[in-house]
Amino acid sequence: DAGVIQSPRHEVTEMGQEVTLRCKPISGHDYLFWYRQTMMRGLELLIYFNNNVPIDDSGMPEDRFSAKMPNASFSTLKIQPSEPRDSAVYFCASRRRQNTEAFFGQGTRLTVV
Amino acid sequence: GQQLNQSPQSMFIQEGEDVSMNCTSSSIFNTWLWYKQDPGEGPVLLIALYKAGELTSNGRLTAQFGITRKDSFLNISASIPSDVGIYFCAARGEQTGANNLFFGTGTRLTVIP
Repeated sequence: DAGVIQSPRHEVTEMGQEVTLRCKPISGHDYLFWYRQTMMRGLELLIYFNNNVPIDDSGMPEDRFSAKMPNASFSTLKIQPSEPRDSAVYFCASRRRQNTEAFFGQGTRLTVV
Repeated sequence: GQQLNQSPQSMFIQEGEDVSMNCTSSSIFNTWLWYKQDPGEGPVLLIALYKAGELTSNGRLTAQFGITRKDSFLNISASIPSDVGIYFCAARGEQTGANNLFFGTGTRLTVIP
């Protein structure tokens, strides 16, 4: 298996622009997680899905952030409008079921200028 | 937010030396995990611990789930240059729910050949 695939690997955008991050989970995994990693706050869970349904989005910072999972093999995290403080590395992770651990993608490094 | 205190923050060691790092919390957890993150990559799971007092090895790595359920340590024996990276502890329990993790702030390991 190719693992969790994220795109793009790097994104530089201007403040106010819309940013869309993409994730393909490992085939057969029922759970998908979006994390954000910053120097100040470390790794934080933003939202997770079970069987394509958003279960807990309490970690999403504000309404500018939204996530979708239209099918079992694809998810997006969108920021609109983006702000410089959104600059971070965003990770997607997936796992097969409860009581197993998740595999992380390589991340998308987002820079908002 | 950060509820796991990980130390040390960084370590510089000679190749062949043993390494020890730990994570503590004021809260009780029922799962402790140790991850390694290489530059530009996502965290990779090294060891998972599910039972208080459990001692688990993975090659040169050994980790233990503290008997109080509030701490864990990771030891690396006979370090080699490829051990370089950032090591994170993570924990799961009532405070996180079944599908979230708290992450430590990381220990940056440098191995001098």
